[in-house]
Amino acid sequence: VQLLESGGGLVQPGGSLRLSCAASGFIFGTYAMSWVRQAPGKGLEWVSGISGSGGSTYHADSVKGRFTISRDTSKNTLYLQMNSLRAEDTAVYYCAKGPRGVVGAYYYMDVWGKGTTVSVSS
Amino acid sequence: DIQMTQSPYTLSASVGDRVTITCRASQSISGWLAWYQQKPGKAPKLLIYDASSLESGVPSRFSGSGSGTEFTLTISSLQPDDFASYYCQQYNSSPLTFGGGTKVEIK
Repeated sequence: VQLLESGGGLVQPGGSLRLSCAASGFIFGTYAMSWVRQAPGKGLEWVSGISGSGGSTYHADSVKGRFTISRDTSKNTLYLQMNSLRAEDTAVYYCAKGPRGVVGAYYYMDVWGKGTTVSVSS
Repeated sequence: DIQMTQSPYTLSASVGDRVTITCRASQSISGWLAWYQQKPGKAPKLLIYDASSLESGVPSRFSGSGSGTEFTLTISSLQPDDFASYYCQQYNSSPLTFGGGTKVEIK
C-alpha cells in the first residue's frame, strides 16, 4: 500500500494550486481518504475528507469555500484543489487513507503518504 | 469542535523507562481515539486505534487505554527508535481533531 503526493510548490497569496495523491496497492475506490496538513513546527490539522465513492466530501472550516477534495477512481488518484491561498495555508500536506469498512466522515488514518510542501508567500 | 489536549508537551526519558502520555477530550468521544508516532521530516505512523487496539506490526511495548474523555499511551520500555513526537486524534465527530503533540526526548 502506497500513497505518493505531488503538486506542492511556492505560490503567491490569492493564488491556486492542485495537489495530487497517487494510490497503489489497494482497491482505491473502496476507502475513504483525507488530506491532513502540518504547518512548520506545528501539529497536525485535518483539512478535507472524501468517501470511497466520492459522493460525500467534508472540509475543515478553515478551508471551506476555498479548497475542494475530489477523487478519480479510474486513475487511483486523490486531489485537493486549493484556491485563494493564504500565508496560513503554508504547510506539508499529507494524503491519508481510512481503514476498511468506513463509510462516513469519522475515522483514523492507517496509511500516510510522505507529504508535499506548499508555501504561500509573496 | 472537540478539543484534544495532550500532556506533557515534552518528556525527557532514558532507554528502558516506562513512559505515559495523556490525551484529554473536551467532550466524550467514547473509545474513538487513535495514536500516531511522527519522526522529524517523516509522515505520521499509526500506532493504536479504537483507544487500545494495536496496529499490525507495531511493537507490543506500545499500549493504549481509556474511554470517554481521558486516554493514555504507554511505552513499557522506551527504545532508541521511540524518540519521536506522538499525537492523539479523535474520530467521534467532525471535524477530526488532533492533540497538540508530545515530544519524547533523550534524557
